[in-house]
Amino acid sequence: DAGITQSPRYKITETGRQVTLMCHQTWSHSYMFWYRQDLGHGLRLIYYSAAADITDKGEVPDGYVVSRSKTENFPLTLESATRSQTSVYFCASSELGRSTDTQYFGPGTRLTVL
Amino acid sequence: AQKVTQAQTEISVVEKEDVTLDCVYETRDTTYYLFWYKQPPSGELVFLIRRNSFDEQNEISGRYSWNFQKSTSSFNFTITASQVVDSAVYFCALSASYSGAGSYQLTFGKGTKLSVIP
Repeated sequence: DAGITQSPRYKITETGRQVTLMCHQTWSHSYMFWYRQDLGHGLRLIYYSAAADITDKGEVPDGYVVSRSKTENFPLTLESATRSQTSVYFCASSELGRSTDTQYFGPGTRLTVL
Repeated sequence: AQKVTQAQTEISVVEKEDVTLDCVYETRDTTYYLFWYKQPPSGELVFLIRRNSFDEQNEISGRYSWNFQKSTSSFNFTITASQVVDSAVYFCALSASYSGAGSYQLTFGKGTKLSVIP
């Protein structure tokens, strides 16, 4: 199906474990983004990518790692999960990353770290 | 730095009432874009509208309307004759240059939760 998908949709893990959240888009958009959504904070940018092999930090990058070997995929890895990383994670994409571009969001992944 | 303020954390209205959601923004850029997204209880984020900083005309789409005023740095959203299906969290967002690298990122407000009571 066309669009932007995330997997898994729900994940429960334990403190210290490595977790990878997947994001896949079929539009061939150049830009992809990862946000986390927490009560009282809205959505905050974790990392973004302008193209394959080009990534950069957002507002809250600590504790996260990203990679982008293919245009369509943008996985987010928590190398050693902490309870403070319990959140809902959204992936988004936009065509060229210009100010005019609309970002389209995936359905989100709800992550719980015990 | 860019900032978006949605001062109303939660609003409750009775069905068929009109409701306005406030959004105030701050940016040093002269060219910027403003967005509204809807997040229904199912959790996804749905794009509603995009406006650029040079177009202050009000926009109407069905029961939805948006009022953009640069003089007060506001981009308010009004729902006319609200319905239960309008119950959601609504986010205002600002697109402006991030880190001066030429790419644009969204800065979100914290959202306003709208509950429409039957």
